[in-house]
Amino acid sequence: DAGVTQSPTHLIKTRGQQVTLRCSPKSGHDTVSWYQQALGQGPQFIFQYYEEEERQRGNFPDRFSGHQFPNYSSELNVNALLLGDSALYLCASIRGGHPELFFGEGSRLTVL
Amino acid sequence: GDSVTQMEGPVTLSEEAFLTINCTYTATGYPSLFWYVQYPGEGLQLLLKATKADDKGSNKGFEATYRKETTSFHLEKGSVQVSDSAVYFCALSDHSSNTGKLIFGQGTTLQVKP
Repeated sequence: DAGVTQSPTHLIKTRGQQVTLRCSPKSGHDTVSWYQQALGQGPQFIFQYYEEEERQRGNFPDRFSGHQFPNYSSELNVNALLLGDSALYLCASIRGGHPELFFGEGSRLTVL
Repeated sequence: GDSVTQMEGPVTLSEEAFLTINCTYTATGYPSLFWYVQYPGEGLQLLLKATKADDKGSNKGFEATYRKETTSFHLEKGSVQVSDSAVYFCALSDHSSNTGKLIFGQGTTLQVKP
């Protein structure tokens, strides 16, 4: 049973560019959440998708957007990249009605 | 809003020492509480959880008890090993929303020396 998978694992972008990160949830999970983890910090909630809609959002600007597909996989898009967007981006999935999140290994984004 | 505060690290212990990592929380409702562990270069793994007051979560020799009266969820282990070296995160989930949103503490780095 595959867990949460994310791609790419590492990527480097320059300021002003756009990036798309991808996530496949754990089998049987229908809800995907995205987190940003800056170096030395705890993860910060970006948003959560269920039934292809954004259901909750953390304190992140509109430059951060997402999408969920009918197969429950998800994308995180970040436009107009800033140096401060450099972080590990974690995807987590959950099965409806259960409080336990399962995390992927993350995509490490470096913005130069 | 809801928040989680952990003791600052790094915590450095010798193998077989007793471990305590303090965690306190602020929440308006009745959250579920979690400890996650992050090994170098990896994502987060759930270590243990507790969903209501006085519950004790346990796994791999680690324990934590949900104390509503002191709003705490301290992580303990009787005898640490070098392989326990990692970053530990305390987190809470709003039990009523159950939408996959966790609020994390800042993390505590544990270093265990042989």
